[in-house]
Amino acid sequence: EAGVAQSPRYKIIEKRQSVAFWCNPISGHATLYWYQQILGQGPKLLIQFQNNGVVDDSQLPKDRFSAERLKGVDSTLKIQPAKLEDSAVYLCASSFRAGLDTQYFGPGTRLTVL
Amino acid sequence: GDSVTQMEGPVTLSEEAFLTINCTYTATGYPSLFWYVQYPGEGLQLLLKATKADDKGSNKGFEATYRKETTSFHLEKGSVQVSDSAVYFCALRTSYDKVIFGPGTSLSVIP
Repeated sequence: EAGVAQSPRYKIIEKRQSVAFWCNPISGHATLYWYQQILGQGPKLLIQFQNNGVVDDSQLPKDRFSAERLKGVDSTLKIQPAKLEDSAVYLCASSFRAGLDTQYFGPGTRLTVL
Repeated sequence: GDSVTQMEGPVTLSEEAFLTINCTYTATGYPSLFWYVQYPGEGLQLLLKATKADDKGSNKGFEATYRKETTSFHLEKGSVQVSDSAVYFCALRTSYDKVIFGPGTSLSVIP
């Protein structure tokens, strides 16, 4: 079974530029999560989708971050404009359903904002 | 609010030493508890979990017991190997289905 795929693996941009990350969850998984992991910290949930609907985006900085999951499969997370403090690893995870099921994580995208 | 606290690292052990990584939590209700592991260059993987008090999760020689009275979920392994070198994250899933991670503990095992 293929795992969660993410691209790109690494991205370096300058502040005020825009960037987008892509995630393809495990086939059949209805729930998709985006996390931000700052160096030395644990992952922090940014947004959770159930199919193509948003379940929780309470910690998403909506003035600069946006995410979508069209057709309930792939998802894109965008930052516009980026700030220095956005430097982090962005992790995508999926689960068959929310609640009891295990979350499976992708390898992450390491973003460096200069 | 809900939170997870882990012992600070890095932790350096010799091969075959006993490992304990402490984890305590604060949560309302009855959270599920998890240990995730992140090997160098790889994504997070679920190591073990426990869903109710006194449950013991185990996998790959690692164990952790859900202790409600002490709000703890300490990770243990009797004999570590070099291949266990990784960052370990304690996490809880709240009653409203949000997963909260601790800051992680880096483990290095030397031959």
